[in-house]
Amino acid sequence: DTAVSQTPKYLVTQMGNDKSIKCEQNLGHDTMYWYKQDSKKFLKIMFSYNNKELIINETVPNRFSPKSPDKAHLNLHINSLELGDSAVYFCASSLGQGMINIQYFGAGTRLSVL
Amino acid sequence: TQLLEQSPQFLSIQEGENLTVYCNSSSVFSSLQWYRQEPGEGPVLLVTVVTGGEVKKLKRLTFQFGDARKDSSLHITAAQPGDTGLYLCAGASAGGTSYGKLTFGQGTILTVHP
Repeated sequence: DTAVSQTPKYLVTQMGNDKSIKCEQNLGHDTMYWYKQDSKKFLKIMFSYNNKELIINETVPNRFSPKSPDKAHLNLHINSLELGDSAVYFCASSLGQGMINIQYFGAGTRLSVL
Repeated sequence: TQLLEQSPQFLSIQEGENLTVYCNSSSVFSSLQWYRQEPGEGPVLLVTVVTGGEVKKLKRLTFQFGDARKDSSLHITAAQPGDTGLYLCAGASAGGTSYGKLTFGQGTILTVHP
């Protein structure tokens, strides 16, 4: 069983469309994250949820809206997609938010906006 | 804003050579983690260092956390083609509202030629 699974793995869409990426973890973790990795491989946190509550909300356009229906799921909805949104989006989870905070990552969703 | 400067960005070496990757910051971190990412996959944790001056070894990989907990290094001895990949350092915030949040370095793309 995959610990952190996200779907779809690839997403190709037109500018202006709305799309969602889903993430599920079966590790029993309380905290989940969304990261964006750009073409230069830089990984930047976007959001963090702890037990369905938003904890970290970095400077992300409000076209991006995370939703956590339960602590095992954290989905990312993106409205009015722009060319600059093209990137690989990673979901991750961790047991908590402590000083060590080991995170387990999904395999990523490669989003291409045309 | 906490920043982690990781260097070098690219490293291309021959099998059997040694190498060192550095992560430096002006900020103090509660822990420093090293991840390895292969193409099409998410980052996978290699090691976590917590105490200033701590040294951890993982087979041919040696990780060190600076005394002031602001910097870290990864040393690989006798590199092998299987070591090829993207190496990422990540620091966990020491306190405040971002407690536990991971800040990633820019990554080092390592290629080991047979």
